Formats: sequence, structure tokens, C-alpha cells
Amino acid sequence: QITLKESGPTLVKPTQTLTLTCTFSGFSLSTSAVAVAWFRQPPGKALEWLALVYWDDDKRYRPSLKSRLTITKDTSKNQVVLTMPNMDPVDTGTYFCAHRVAYHGSGSFDYWGQGTLVTVSS
Amino acid sequence: EVVMTQSPATLSVSPGERHTLSCRASQSVSSNLAWYQQKPGQAPRLLIYGASTRATGIPARFSGSGSGTEFTLTISSLQSEDFAVYYCQQYNDWPLTFGGGTKVEIK
Repeated sequence: QITLKESGPTLVKPTQTLTLTCTFSGFSLSTSAVAVAWFRQPPGKALEWLALVYWDDDKRYRPSLKSRLTITKDTSKNQVVLTMPNMDPVDTGTYFCAHRVAYHGSGSFDYWGQGTLVTVSS
Repeated sequence: EVVMTQSPATLSVSPGERHTLSCRASQSVSSNLAWYQQKPGQAPRLLIYGASTRATGIPARFSGSGSGTEFTLTISSLQSEDFAVYYCQQYNDWPLTFGGGTKVEIK
């Protein structure tokens, strides 16, 4: 059974760095074709993909945010961490991590964490 | 980036009806398209991937079709639990992109 859960601060001040952790079970990020991604969703708006890390440590980032995003994996802890410096109120939203459907070339996501609401405010 | 456009933005329907949601890509995404259902306060749920393959556990009343730039999600007989927001997402090109969503509400 695959599960994912996001953890991190619920409130950050503008200019601070957001660090979110996705802790998962039921799969290994060292297995071929496995990948985990981060998404966010501003209140009342659509989903937005942020970053993805593959089993082989290859990474992809949203171009418009690439300078601010870092995704890392810790296979031994079954965790994926997203860091995002210089937070702004427009970064307020629910942040999700998700497991990619496990076949090469896939880009859909079959298991999602419950999400964590991050508010950026002074 | 590939822009995904969904229509209509809102669909008011009665239980038991059949309805089709549309998703258009600004350039071809082949069959690299997924559909998700999201209810308030919940994470998205994968319904369809590869444009037409139902994900594990998804009822047969959900079906997807299309390729290239035009895609549809059909719900053959709407149940009460189907009232939600539906998103399409392409994974043919980076960045992965979503449509703006179609809200299916009770008439």
C-alpha cells in the first residue's frame, strides 16, 4: 500500500525559505521508473507542477521557478524534500507530493499526499 | 509551455445524466494526457492516463478519449459522488501542465 504525507511549516514570512518533506511508504525511490513530484494549488485555483525527482536522481523543475526550487531525495529515509527560498504571499497554497505511475515515460500521478497548506504572511 | 484549456468551466447536471468534459492542448501532446478528480479539501484522484486508460479502481462510467490536441472525459451516468472539479494534465512536454478545471455541480 502506497502512502505519502507532506510535512512542514504552515506559516512562513515573506523572504523566508520553505522546506517541505514528503515521507512515503509502499515503494522505494531506488527502484527503476519510480519518481516523486511536488505540486501546489493556490486557494480556489488550479494545480501547478513544481518539481520531480527520478529514481536515478535526475530532476526536473518548473522553468518559471527553477531558480528557487531544489528537490532532493533520501532513499534511506523514504523522503523527498522541496526547498523554496524567498517566499512571497503569491506562494500561498496547498502543497502536494505525489507518486508517478511507475512506467518509463509516464507523467501521471496515482498516489497523492493529503496536502499541506502553506500561508505566506508577515 | 503547453497550455491546457478546459471547457466548460462549470457544468450543472442532474444525477444519472451523461456528460462530456473537454480539454484542448495548445500543441500536440500525443496521448500523454491524464484526468483527475478533486473534491474540496482533498488531493486529486487519478482517473485516466494515456488519454483513455482507466486507473486502478476507477468505475467504468468514466471514459477518456482523444489524441493530439483534443481530449474528452465522459461520465456515462453521474452519481452523487462524482460532483467535483476535474482537471486534465499533459505529460508530453516539460513543464507538466494542467488545465484550469471543470466544476461539475448539481443542477
